[in-house]
Amino acid sequence: TQLLEQSPQFLSIQEGENLTVYCNSSSVFSSLQWYRQEPGEGPVLLVTVVTGGEVKKLKRLTFQFGDARKDSSLHITAAQPGDTGLYLCAGVDWSNTGKLIFGQGTTLQVKP
Amino acid sequence: DSGVTQTPKHLITATGQRVTLRCSPRSGDLSVYWYQQSLDQGLQFLIHYYNGEERAKGNILERFSAQQFPDLHSELNLSSLELGDSALYFCASSVFPVNKEPGELFFGEGSRLTVL
Repeated sequence: TQLLEQSPQFLSIQEGENLTVYCNSSSVFSSLQWYRQEPGEGPVLLVTVVTGGEVKKLKRLTFQFGDARKDSSLHITAAQPGDTGLYLCAGVDWSNTGKLIFGQGTTLQVKP
Repeated sequence: DSGVTQTPKHLITATGQRVTLRCSPRSGDLSVYWYQQSLDQGLQFLIHYYNGEERAKGNILERFSAQQFPDLHSELNLSSLELGDSALYFCASSVFPVNKEPGELFFGEGSRLTVL
Protein backbone atom coordinates (compact mmCIF):
# COMPACT_ATOMS: atom_id res chain seq x y z
CA THR A 1 0.00 0.00 0.00
CA GLN A 2 1.30 3.42 -0.91
CA LEU A 3 1.38 6.10 1.77
CA LEU A 4 1.55 9.86 1.71
CA GLU A 5 3.17 11.67 4.61
CA GLN A 6 2.66 15.37 5.14
CA SER A 7 4.71 17.75 7.21
CA PRO A 8 4.32 19.72 9.27
CA GLN A 9 1.05 18.56 10.77
CA PHE A 10 0.31 21.95 12.29
CA LEU A 11 1.49 25.41 11.38
CA SER A 12 0.57 28.69 13.04
CA ILE A 13 2.01 31.83 11.49
CA GLN A 14 1.43 35.56 11.29
CA GLU A 15 -0.13 37.24 8.30
CA GLY A 16 2.50 38.10 5.69
CA GLU A 17 4.83 35.20 6.42
CA ASN A 18 5.82 32.56 3.89
CA LEU A 19 5.44 28.83 4.45
CA THR A 20 6.02 25.49 2.78
CA VAL A 21 4.09 22.26 3.27
CA TYR A 22 5.54 18.93 2.17
CA CYS A 23 4.00 15.72 0.93
CA ASN A 24 6.34 12.74 0.72
CA SER A 25 6.15 9.10 -0.25
CA SER A 26 8.51 6.21 -0.84
CA SER A 27 6.39 5.28 -3.85
CA VAL A 28 6.08 6.85 -7.27
CA PHE A 29 2.80 8.53 -8.09
CA SER A 30 1.64 9.26 -11.62
CA SER A 31 0.10 12.48 -10.31
CA LEU A 32 -0.58 14.22 -7.04
CA GLN A 33 -3.40 16.52 -6.06
CA TRP A 34 -3.68 19.22 -3.39
CA TYR A 35 -6.98 19.93 -1.68
CA ARG A 36 -7.94 22.56 0.90
CA GLN A 37 -10.61 21.90 3.49
CA GLU A 38 -12.24 24.60 5.58
CA PRO A 39 -14.15 23.88 8.81
CA GLY A 40 -17.59 22.40 8.18
CA GLU A 41 -16.91 21.77 4.52
CA GLY A 42 -15.53 19.06 2.30
CA PRO A 43 -12.10 19.27 0.64
CA VAL A 44 -11.85 21.35 -2.53
CA LEU A 45 -9.29 20.65 -5.24
CA LEU A 46 -6.60 23.31 -5.63
CA VAL A 47 -4.33 21.75 -8.23
CA THR A 48 -3.16 18.53 -9.88
CA VAL A 49 0.51 18.04 -10.79
CA VAL A 50 1.29 15.32 -13.31
CA THR A 51 4.83 15.77 -14.64
CA GLY A 52 8.01 15.27 -12.62
CA GLY A 53 9.54 18.67 -11.87
CA GLU A 54 6.32 20.48 -12.73
CA VAL A 55 5.63 23.81 -11.04
CA LYS A 56 2.14 25.29 -10.95
CA LYS A 57 1.12 28.65 -9.53
CA LEU A 58 -2.25 29.65 -8.20
CA LYS A 59 -2.02 33.31 -7.12
CA ARG A 60 0.20 33.22 -4.00
CA LEU A 61 0.34 29.41 -3.94
CA THR A 62 3.12 27.54 -5.72
CA PHE A 63 2.94 23.77 -6.15
CA GLN A 64 5.85 21.59 -7.18
CA PHE A 65 6.02 17.91 -8.12
CA GLY A 66 9.34 16.24 -7.40
CA ASP A 67 11.50 15.08 -10.27
CA ALA A 68 11.09 11.45 -9.18
CA ARG A 69 7.34 11.92 -8.67
CA LYS A 70 7.57 10.75 -5.07
CA ASP A 71 6.99 14.09 -3.39
CA SER A 72 5.32 17.44 -3.74
CA SER A 73 5.39 20.77 -1.97
CA LEU A 74 3.04 23.69 -1.51
CA HIS A 75 4.55 27.11 -0.90
CA ILE A 76 2.41 30.06 0.17
CA THR A 77 3.82 33.54 -0.15
CA ALA A 78 2.63 36.32 2.15
CA ALA A 79 0.01 34.19 3.87
CA GLN A 80 -3.34 35.75 4.67
CA PRO A 81 -6.01 34.77 7.23
CA GLY A 82 -8.13 33.50 4.35
CA ASP A 83 -5.48 30.81 3.74
CA THR A 84 -6.38 29.19 7.06
CA GLY A 85 -7.51 25.61 6.64
CA LEU A 86 -6.48 21.99 6.28
CA TYR A 87 -4.26 21.25 3.29
CA LEU A 88 -4.33 17.69 1.98
CA CYS A 89 -2.27 15.99 -0.67
CA ALA A 90 -3.73 13.01 -2.51
CA GLY A 91 -2.63 10.42 -5.02
CA VAL A 92 -3.86 7.23 -6.62
CA ASP A 93 -2.65 4.04 -4.98
CA TRP A 94 -2.37 1.65 -7.87
CA SER A 95 -1.20 -1.16 -5.60
CA ASN A 96 -4.82 -1.59 -4.54
CA THR A 97 -7.15 -1.24 -7.53
CA GLY A 98 -6.60 2.47 -7.80
CA LYS A 99 -7.99 4.13 -4.69
CA LEU A 100 -7.39 7.83 -4.13
CA ILE A 101 -5.52 8.14 -0.84
CA PHE A 102 -4.87 11.24 1.21
CA GLY A 103 -2.06 12.40 3.42
CA GLN A 104 -2.84 13.20 7.06
CA GLY A 105 -3.07 16.87 6.24
CA THR A 106 -1.44 20.08 7.41
CA THR A 107 -3.55 22.40 9.53
CA LEU A 108 -2.59 26.00 8.79
CA GLN A 109 -3.60 28.91 10.96
CA VAL A 110 -2.75 32.41 9.76
CA LYS A 111 -3.19 35.05 12.43
CA PRO A 112 -4.00 38.64 11.47
CA ASP B 1 -21.54 24.47 -3.57
CA SER B 2 -19.91 21.31 -4.96
CA GLY B 3 -23.17 19.85 -6.23
CA VAL B 4 -22.80 16.79 -4.00
CA THR B 5 -25.55 16.43 -1.41
CA GLN B 6 -25.18 14.44 1.77
CA THR B 7 -27.85 13.71 4.34
CA PRO B 8 -28.15 13.88 7.24
CA LYS B 9 -25.64 16.58 8.17
CA HIS B 10 -25.59 15.54 11.81
CA LEU B 11 -26.57 12.29 13.46
CA ILE B 12 -26.41 11.27 17.11
CA THR B 13 -27.08 7.69 18.01
CA ALA B 14 -26.24 5.03 20.57
CA THR B 15 -23.80 2.14 20.48
CA GLY B 16 -25.18 -0.95 18.81
CA GLN B 17 -27.50 0.99 16.53
CA ARG B 18 -27.55 1.14 12.75
CA VAL B 19 -27.58 4.25 10.55
CA THR B 20 -27.75 5.01 6.85
CA LEU B 21 -25.94 7.93 5.26
CA ARG B 22 -27.10 9.11 1.87
CA CYS B 23 -25.22 10.77 -0.96
CA SER B 24 -26.45 12.32 -4.20
CA PRO B 25 -23.56 12.90 -6.62
CA ARG B 26 -23.20 15.82 -9.00
CA SER B 27 -25.39 15.55 -12.04
CA GLY B 28 -23.63 13.40 -14.62
CA ASP B 29 -21.01 11.97 -12.25
CA LEU B 30 -20.87 8.18 -12.36
CA SER B 31 -18.35 7.65 -9.57
CA VAL B 32 -19.10 7.89 -5.86
CA TYR B 33 -16.49 7.59 -3.13
CA TRP B 34 -16.92 7.35 0.62
CA TYR B 35 -14.32 8.59 3.09
CA GLN B 36 -14.16 8.63 6.87
CA GLN B 37 -12.46 11.57 8.57
CA SER B 38 -11.53 11.48 12.22
CA LEU B 39 -9.07 13.58 14.18
CA ASP B 40 -6.50 10.84 14.61
CA GLN B 41 -6.93 9.01 11.31
CA GLY B 42 -7.18 11.74 8.72
CA LEU B 43 -9.23 11.12 5.57
CA GLN B 44 -9.55 7.36 5.15
CA PHE B 45 -10.81 5.80 1.94
CA LEU B 46 -13.72 3.42 2.48
CA ILE B 47 -15.16 2.42 -0.89
CA HIS B 48 -15.61 3.52 -4.51
CA TYR B 49 -18.53 2.77 -6.82
CA TYR B 50 -18.67 3.45 -10.54
CA ASN B 51 -22.01 3.29 -12.32
CA GLY B 52 -23.45 0.90 -9.76
CA GLU B 53 -20.46 -1.41 -9.47
CA GLU B 54 -17.94 -1.58 -6.66
CA ARG B 55 -14.51 -0.57 -8.04
CA ALA B 56 -12.22 -0.32 -5.03
CA LYS B 57 -12.39 -1.06 -1.35
CA GLY B 58 -10.34 0.41 1.47
CA ASN B 59 -10.12 -0.75 5.06
CA ILE B 60 -13.87 -0.74 5.41
CA LEU B 61 -15.18 -2.64 8.41
CA GLU B 62 -17.45 -5.63 7.87
CA ARG B 63 -20.09 -3.77 9.89
CA PHE B 64 -20.14 -1.15 7.13
CA SER B 65 -21.67 -1.65 3.71
CA ALA B 66 -22.49 0.57 0.78
CA GLN B 67 -24.25 0.49 -2.53
CA GLN B 68 -24.88 2.70 -5.51
CA PHE B 69 -28.37 2.65 -6.96
CA PRO B 70 -29.47 2.89 -10.63
CA ASP B 71 -30.16 6.62 -10.19
CA LEU B 72 -26.49 6.88 -9.06
CA HIS B 73 -27.18 7.97 -5.51
CA SER B 74 -25.31 6.00 -2.88
CA GLU B 75 -25.92 4.89 0.68
CA LEU B 76 -23.43 3.95 3.36
CA ASN B 77 -24.84 1.67 6.03
CA LEU B 78 -23.12 1.51 9.40
CA SER B 79 -24.30 -1.16 11.84
CA SER B 80 -23.50 -2.34 15.37
CA LEU B 81 -22.10 1.10 15.96
CA GLU B 82 -19.22 1.62 18.36
CA LEU B 83 -17.90 4.76 20.02
CA GLY B 84 -14.93 4.69 17.66
CA ASP B 85 -17.19 5.04 14.64
CA SER B 86 -17.83 8.67 15.57
CA ALA B 87 -16.43 10.68 12.69
CA LEU B 88 -17.20 12.80 9.68
CA TYR B 89 -18.25 10.72 6.70
CA PHE B 90 -17.69 12.31 3.31
CA CYS B 91 -19.07 11.37 -0.02
CA ALA B 92 -17.36 12.56 -3.18
CA SER B 93 -18.19 12.18 -6.84
CA SER B 94 -16.36 12.43 -10.13
CA VAL B 95 -17.12 11.92 -13.78
CA PHE B 96 -14.71 9.08 -14.35
CA PRO B 97 -13.43 6.23 -12.27
CA VAL B 98 -10.27 7.31 -10.53
CA ASN B 99 -8.13 5.27 -12.90
CA LYS B 100 -8.76 7.89 -15.58
CA GLU B 101 -6.57 10.30 -13.73
CA PRO B 102 -6.10 13.06 -13.10
CA GLY B 103 -9.64 13.33 -11.92
CA GLU B 104 -11.09 15.89 -9.57
CA LEU B 105 -13.21 14.70 -6.70
CA PHE B 106 -16.10 16.91 -5.63
CA PHE B 107 -16.91 16.47 -1.97
CA GLY B 108 -20.14 16.93 -0.10
CA GLU B 109 -20.25 18.76 3.22
CA GLY B 110 -20.14 15.51 5.15
CA SER B 111 -22.31 13.73 7.68
CA ARG B 112 -21.13 14.08 11.25
CA LEU B 113 -21.89 10.91 13.19
CA THR B 114 -21.71 10.90 16.97
CA VAL B 115 -22.07 7.56 18.74
CA LEU B 116 -22.82 7.84 22.45
